Amino acid sequence: EVQLVESGGGLVQPGGSLRLSCAASGFTFSNYWMKWVRQAPGKGLEWVANIKQDGSEKNYVDSVKGRFTISRDNAKTSLYLQMNSLRAEDTAVYYCAASLLSGRAYSSWGQGTLVTVSS
Amino acid sequence: QSVLTQPPSVSAAPGQKVTISCSGSSSDIGNNYVSWYQQLPGTAPKLLIYENNKRPSGIPDRFSGSKSGTSATLGITGLQTGDEADYYCGTWDRSLNIDVVFGGGTKLTVL
Repeated sequence: EVQLVESGGGLVQPGGSLRLSCAASGFTFSNYWMKWVRQAPGKGLEWVANIKQDGSEKNYVDSVKGRFTISRDNAKTSLYLQMNSLRAEDTAVYYCAASLLSGRAYSSWGQGTLVTVSS
Repeated sequence: QSVLTQPPSVSAAPGQKVTISCSGSSSDIGNNYVSWYQQLPGTAPKLLIYENNKRPSGIPDRFSGSKSGTSATLGITGLQTGDEADYYCGTWDRSLNIDVVFGGGTKLTVL
């Protein structure tokens, strides 16, 4: 069974930093692109970042470029999101996701971790 | 404001059928596969449909997907109260260099 379990969320002040983690199991982690998606309170889904199987390619939504860094450790089957210079508008539930089927569909999701940026 | 346009809400009675539309453009839906997601209250999204009309293992055939031109549609038959959820469409937008763009979501109410 595929499992994605996020951790690391919490309350942080504007300008602060946070590192999210996602522990993956039940599939060959090193064979797949991995993604982060967020959902602000009461809002829709927004893709944040993705990373290639070997970590050689990373992409970000414009609003987080230069502030967030996605990374992975295939030996630990884990995905990370380092978030710096956090803003109030970054407040959201952050989901780790994987596309294990074709067509760019996100077939597996974690349960999410809440990040609240507030003073 | 989302690139993909969905109605904010739809409703129908138990046992009935409902459709949810997702409208885009040639740079997104028009030239890429569409996927659909169900998000029950307080839970993570769940994939219902991928590659326009395919169902992952475990998704009942009450859920169906279709695409025509720059629009896609999710159909749900035999509505159940447990289907009350938010539904999102998603696809790739090559012009925005975004892995997946999502619609704004549609709240389904089963009356």
